[in-house]
This record gives sequence, C-alpha cells and structure tokens, in this order.
Amino acid sequence: GAVVSQHPSRVICKSGTSVKIECRSLDFQATTMFWYRQFPKKSLMLMATSNEGSKATYEQGVEKDKFLINHASLTLSTLTVTSAHPEDSSFYICSARGASLDRGYGYTFGSGTRLTVV
Amino acid sequence: AQTVTQSQPEMSVQEAETVTLSCTYDTSESDYYLFWYKQPPSRQMILVIRQEAYKQQNATENRFSVNFQKAAKSFSLKISDSQLGDAAMYFCAGNQGGKLIFGQGTELSVKP
Repeated sequence: GAVVSQHPSRVICKSGTSVKIECRSLDFQATTMFWYRQFPKKSLMLMATSNEGSKATYEQGVEKDKFLINHASLTLSTLTVTSAHPEDSSFYICSARGASLDRGYGYTFGSGTRLTVV
Repeated sequence: AQTVTQSQPEMSVQEAETVTLSCTYDTSESDYYLFWYKQPPSRQMILVIRQEAYKQQNATENRFSVNFQKAAKSFSLKISDSQLGDAAMYFCAGNQGGKLIFGQGTELSVKP
C-alpha cells in the first residue's frame, strides 16, 4: 500500500530559528500534499495544500510567510516553520495523494512531527 | 464549504460491547466520500472505513460498520465486539474540493 514518510518525528528548536519538516511518498507519486496542525486532544486543522511544481494554497488565517511549503518533486514536500516561537509548538502531520489513486483511498498520512520551540 | 461535526467529545464502552460514534456533515458537492479515521496514542492516522456517497449500501469492515443517512447528512460508526485496542481518538472526515476536512474527534475508551 501507499506509504508516506515524515521526518523528523520530534524536533526541539530555539525561539527565532527555523525548522524544516519533510514529507516523502515512498511508493507512489504524490501530486498533492496536505499539511495539518494538531493541538493536543484536538482535531486536525488543514494549513495548506500543495501541488507539485506550483505554489501552495493556504487556508484562511495561516501565515504563508511563517509556514513555507515547497513541493518541488512528486515525492517530496517540505514545511519550514520560520522564526519559530513557542506558540508554533504543535504536532504537524502531512498527507499525500497520488493522481492514479482512487480519490476515496488517496489520502495517506505521515506519522507526524512534534515541534517544541523553547 | 464542507463542515463535519462530531458532538461526542468522549465515549466509553465495555469490552465486547457495541458502541456508536456520531457524525453529521454538510457539503455542497454532489459526489463525495466520507471517512472514519482512528488515531491511537502513537498519533498515526489510520483509515478505519470509508463510504462513497453515491452508494446506498452501508460500508462494513469486519467489526466496523457505518450507518450512512444521506438525506439527514449523518454518518455514524458502529464498533461491534469492542476490544481494548480500539481505544483511541476517532475522527470523521469528508473530502471537499480534494481536501480532507475533519470533525472535532471523539475519544473512545474501552473498559476491561
């Protein structure tokens, strides 16, 4: 089945620095990738949608300059949290879809990244 | 825009018993899918079951089944013969414009 690898699983960074999270589709071409943010015991909040080779589409209220998304290839999307602050601490999850996949089955999730900004 | 609502923040079930988790939704699309995902403490999202809106027959996957009421925009999940490993957060979700939109989640605990 479709597998999505997300790294790192945990990261601690200092306030003001940037951190990059990678999301890779291992056995399929991900034409679309989604980035979610999840607070403890809360739902997944969609942050942005990215299509390979084009600019990401951000959801309302998400700062595009704070959360930089790059989807340069069909197997890799990255989320960079720039100038991180403690309020950016959260659990970030990526999801990928392939054009060839039945759109009902096409959402495969990474294992998530726990970001802590100190 | 699509909305997905889960009105039960927490549910509890006795091992081997049956429990039903509720979900309602609203969508402007005529053709859509609905999903139930499980998120255990590891936080890995696991697809439990999916339903295609144009299919009238309710989806079933082993001990998991749904009650899809299209007119009422209701999509509940029934877990039969509950097991300790079923304890997790359960999210109802629907796709809108290619995006997956989640409900608030229901935390299910299973009592031995």
